[in-house]
Amino acid sequence: DTAVSQTPKYLVTQMGNDKSIKCEQNLGHDTMYWYKQDSKKFLKIMFSYNNKELIINETVPNRFSPKSPDKAHLNLHINSLELGDSAVYFCASSQGGRANYGYTFGSGTRLTVV
Amino acid sequence: AQTVTQSQPEMSVQEAETVTLSCTYDTSESDYYLFWYKQPPSRQMILVIRQEAYKQQNATENRFSVNFQKAAKSFSLKISDSQLGDAAMYFCAYTSGGTSYGKLTFGQGTILTVHP
Repeated sequence: DTAVSQTPKYLVTQMGNDKSIKCEQNLGHDTMYWYKQDSKKFLKIMFSYNNKELIINETVPNRFSPKSPDKAHLNLHINSLELGDSAVYFCASSQGGRANYGYTFGSGTRLTVV
Repeated sequence: AQTVTQSQPEMSVQEAETVTLSCTYDTSESDYYLFWYKQPPSRQMILVIRQEAYKQQNATENRFSVNFQKAAKSFSLKISDSQLGDAAMYFCAYTSGGTSYGKLTFGQGTILTVHP
């Protein structure tokens, strides 16, 4: 069983569309994250949820809206996609609102906006 | 704000040799954790090694070891007996043990090439 699974792995879409990326973890962790890896491979946090509560919201456009229906799921919805949104998006999880033992990452979703 | 700097965009090593990847960080905190992650072409992020700031002893995991210099805020990764499968992008990462809410701050990454 995959510990942190993201779907889809690849997503190609046109500018202006709305798309969602889903993430689920079966580790029993209570904290989940979204990171964006840009074309230069730089990883930057976007959001963090702890027990369904938003605790980190970095400077991210309002077009990005995370949703956590329960502590095992954290989805990312993106409205009005732009070319600059093309990147790899990683979901990750950890325990207790901390990263003292690092994260368990999903395999990433490569989003290409054309 | 905490920052993590990897000053080597690319490194290369011959198979079976040893290579060291550098990382420096900036923090005013005393309780924190440092990590090295590996990202092979499959793009999966794999935790290689972890260091607790309050532990003097350098962490080791098989062929991977760190040189943690707390005063100098330096955290380098040594890979011994390099293997072709070690070829990947390596990221250094930092998290505060206190109030970061689990945020991991990553360096820019170092691409490691292993030559047969």
